[in-house]
Amino acid sequence: SAVISQKPSRDICQRGTSLTIQCQVDSQVTMMFWYRQQPGQSLTLIATANQGSEATYESGFVIDKFPISRPNLTFSTLTVSNMSPEDSSIYLCSVDLMVEAFFGQGTRLTVV
Amino acid sequence: GNSVTQMEGPVTLSEEAFLTINCTYTATGYPSLFWYVQYPGEGLQLLLKATKADDKGSNKGFEATYRKETTSFHLEKGSVQVSDSAVYFCALRSAGNNRKLIWGLGTSLAVNP
Repeated sequence: SAVISQKPSRDICQRGTSLTIQCQVDSQVTMMFWYRQQPGQSLTLIATANQGSEATYESGFVIDKFPISRPNLTFSTLTVSNMSPEDSSIYLCSVDLMVEAFFGQGTRLTVV
Repeated sequence: GNSVTQMEGPVTLSEEAFLTINCTYTATGYPSLFWYVQYPGEGLQLLLKATKADDKGSNKGFEATYRKETTSFHLEKGSVQVSDSAVYFCALRSAGNNRKLIWGLGTSLAVNP
C-alpha cells in the first residue's frame, strides 16, 4: 500500500492569488496524478507528473494555470494560479501501485 | 472510448436494508474494475476490486461481481448500516497501454437509523 500526505487540507484564498499543494508519498513511484473533484461531481484528471520530465496535462488543463513540480520520486506539488471562484474544488493527489490507486486526503480549496 | 455509467443518486435507505448500486462499463479487452468509497470529510479509499471476468470483490460486507457478459460491476450489501453513508464511485482501468482510471459520477448513499 501507499500512504500519501497532502497539505494543506483546506484553504480559503482570495481571487487572483495562487496556492501550492504538496503531496508526499511514503514510497518511490514513477507517476503521480493530480485530480480535481468539483462539488457533487466525479474526479477529473488534471495531469500526470513524472519525475524528471514535464507533466502531461489532460484536455482542458494547461501548465500556466496548473504548474506542477516533481523534483523526486516521492514528492510533487500542484499550483493553482490566478485563482477564481470557479477553481473552488477538492484537489487530490494519487499514485498507482499495481492496479490499485491510492489517494491523499485532498485539499479543499475555496476561492472568495 | 472507455466509459463508466453509474446509478444516479442520492440513495436513501433505512438501516438493515439491502443495497444495490448499479455500474456498467464500456471498454475494450478486459479492464480491471473498482469501487471506491468517500466517507464524509475523508479521502477516497478502495472498497473492493476485480481484475478478471467472474471475479468477485468483497470487503466490509460489500460485494461486486465482474460480469463480462453484461459489462457490469454492481455493488451490493445485504444489510446497510448508518456508517455506510458515503459517496461510492465505480471505476475502471483499461488493460491496454493507456491505463488511466475512468470514473463514474459517484452515488451518494444516506442510511437512516
